[in-house]
Amino acid sequence: AQSVTQLGSHVSVSEGALVLLRCNYSSSVPPYLFWYVQYPNQGLQLLLKYTTGATLVKGINGFEAEFKKSETSFHLTKPSAHMSDAAEYFCAVRRSGGSNYKLTFGKGTLLTVNP
Amino acid sequence: NAGVTQTPKFQVLKTGQSMTLQCAQDMNHEYMSWYRQDPGMGLRLIHYSVGAGITDQGEVPNGYNVSRSTTEDFPLRLLSAAPSQTSVYFCASSYSMGGNTGELFFGEGSRLTVL
Repeated sequence: AQSVTQLGSHVSVSEGALVLLRCNYSSSVPPYLFWYVQYPNQGLQLLLKYTTGATLVKGINGFEAEFKKSETSFHLTKPSAHMSDAAEYFCAVRRSGGSNYKLTFGKGTLLTVNP
Repeated sequence: NAGVTQTPKFQVLKTGQSMTLQCAQDMNHEYMSWYRQDPGMGLRLIHYSVGAGITDQGEVPNGYNVSRSTTEDFPLRLLSAAPSQTSVYFCASSYSMGGNTGELFFGEGSRLTVL
């Protein structure tokens, strides 16, 4: 079974500061990892994903994440926060390969950006 | 391209009433799923389907029923609504052909209140 732990249900940063949202996963097989963003009263939108290959993945809106197998982590970063980044962020995991497409989500991290 | 369409967007029910949340996708995705989102709980999988005529239970299936008669549609039925089913419901779909990473595409959500 897979599971995801997002450290910090609420992160607050100043505009222009580094954004770091933490995600640790548990998986018995090599995982596929995802970060989704949810703006108020909207559905979830994919930010980026790791499947195979390069462990540093770049996504939309200047976000990136690094897959670290030894630390079972997939932290999301952005060098400089913008007011428009305020949203809830979800890390998710699924098994690689096979026909199991179920995504398991973390509980989410609400990002607040202060002017 | 409409993507994943959910109706209704808002619904208020009384305890004991039944209703159906509709979900349709026009991307020819084989995999479809329903999640519920509650504050501090992230997204939890209710039911999913890997193709027409095939459904299975997720993490929190009790009180919900699904069917998949076509590739496009995946309705979620509440049999006898309870206040604990007050939530935001998301339908999500994905390709499930071999080698695909299973990225989920989400609808905009259906907000249900049970009084």
